Amino acid sequence: EDQVTQSPEALRLQEGESSSLNCSYTVSGLRGLFWYRQDPGKGPEFLFTLYSAGEEKEKERLKATLTKKESFLHITAPKPEDSATYLCAVQEGNNDMRFGAGTRLTVKP
Amino acid sequence: DSGVTQTPKHLITATGQRVTLRCSPRSGDLSVYWYQQSLDQGLQFLIQYYNGEERAKGNILERFSAQQFPDLHSELNLSSLELGDSALYFCASSSGQGDGYTFGSGTRLTVV
Repeated sequence: EDQVTQSPEALRLQEGESSSLNCSYTVSGLRGLFWYRQDPGKGPEFLFTLYSAGEEKEKERLKATLTKKESFLHITAPKPEDSATYLCAVQEGNNDMRFGAGTRLTVKP
Repeated sequence: DSGVTQTPKHLITATGQRVTLRCSPRSGDLSVYWYQQSLDQGLQFLIQYYNGEERAKGNILERFSAQQFPDLHSELNLSSLELGDSALYFCASSSGQGDGYTFGSGTRLTVV
């Protein structure tokens, strides 16, 4: 049973066209939900940690929000350099971090 | 530079062979995690060590093993390699206090 499901699998946007990525999870004792950015051939780069429903965090054009069942990564007025795969991961209790399959974002100039 | 160092960056080897991947965690981090990333399966958790002791196991094959040494660096040993073992292998570290993991740049393993 998948614990973390990300949608869409791929998203193509025009520069400046805002959108959201979704991450739904099924763990019961959520310790933290994490967002990462991964460029091709490189390791995931940490973006945000969210710990409880209602929490929001922002960094430049990115804003992450959390509910009891899902998280959204909102991208406002994206630029081509925002193109990457965005990964969501959850940590349940003291267990390891489990990742979703990711959303591959392409921003066209 | 994330602070997590992985060597080698690339490795090409033949089926049936054995390889060792090395990871040095970020300074001060006690936990080391190994992940495998292939094109069709995303990031799969293999194993975690905390201060030299195995803490958690994921989808790690019996042909694979790992250890963490007193200086906290870790090695992932892959033996009897198969074509399907070709993938990116990432090491990550954390302080173990509930924060996010810091990933290295990975080792790309190609089995031919």
